[in-house]
Amino acid sequence: EDQVTQSPEALRLQEGESSSLNCSYTVSGLRGLFWYRQDPGKGPEFLFTLYSAGEEKEKERLKATLTKKESFLHITAPKPEDSATYLCAVQAGVRTDKLIFGTGTRLQVFP
Amino acid sequence: ETGVTQSPTHLIKTRGQQVTLRCSSQSGHNTVSWYQQALGQGPQFIFQYYREEENGRGNFPPRFSGLQFPNYSSELNVNALELDDSALYLCASSLDVGGAFSQYFGPGTRLTVL
Repeated sequence: EDQVTQSPEALRLQEGESSSLNCSYTVSGLRGLFWYRQDPGKGPEFLFTLYSAGEEKEKERLKATLTKKESFLHITAPKPEDSATYLCAVQAGVRTDKLIFGTGTRLQVFP
Repeated sequence: ETGVTQSPTHLIKTRGQQVTLRCSSQSGHNTVSWYQQALGQGPQFIFQYYREEENGRGNFPPRFSGLQFPNYSSELNVNALELDDSALYLCASSLDVGGAFSQYFGPGTRLTVL
């Protein structure tokens, strides 16, 4: 069964303290891996799509990387406004476009 | 360019009632997917609509149904509401089907079933 696991569940960082969030996946036929940011009570905001192992994408303080088994979201010198839940999702197989989500990592950045 | 919009923002219903949620897709997008997100969980796929036809369904009972209109907007209908249906309902639109097209989410509708 296709599965996505995110770790840690929660992460507290001091402003400027860089870290990484992990998303490991077990799927048949990965078509894409997606990262989203979600603020409380709001819809997920699209960040990145990664398609193949070795691919990297960057946006401001965020950098996403992909291997054959996992993806990392690296946060460099975070600011309090980076506080949110970060969701990872995969799209797999040929019969459906559904996204399979992990449960997210809740990030808090303190000044 | 207009993003994905959903209505209403919040809704309170009682057990056994029926509810209709609405979604307008992002400009240029022809595919709409619906997700249910319980508190502290990741979104769970309900179904997807493409060219007014259902194009994939998750593990949800038939009392969850939907429609897509010629302008690509969509409705999610839930009959015989149960307490466990309380959740944030998310609509996402994408450019097309078949490739790994990014899905862009709306702000969600918070449904509370009492």
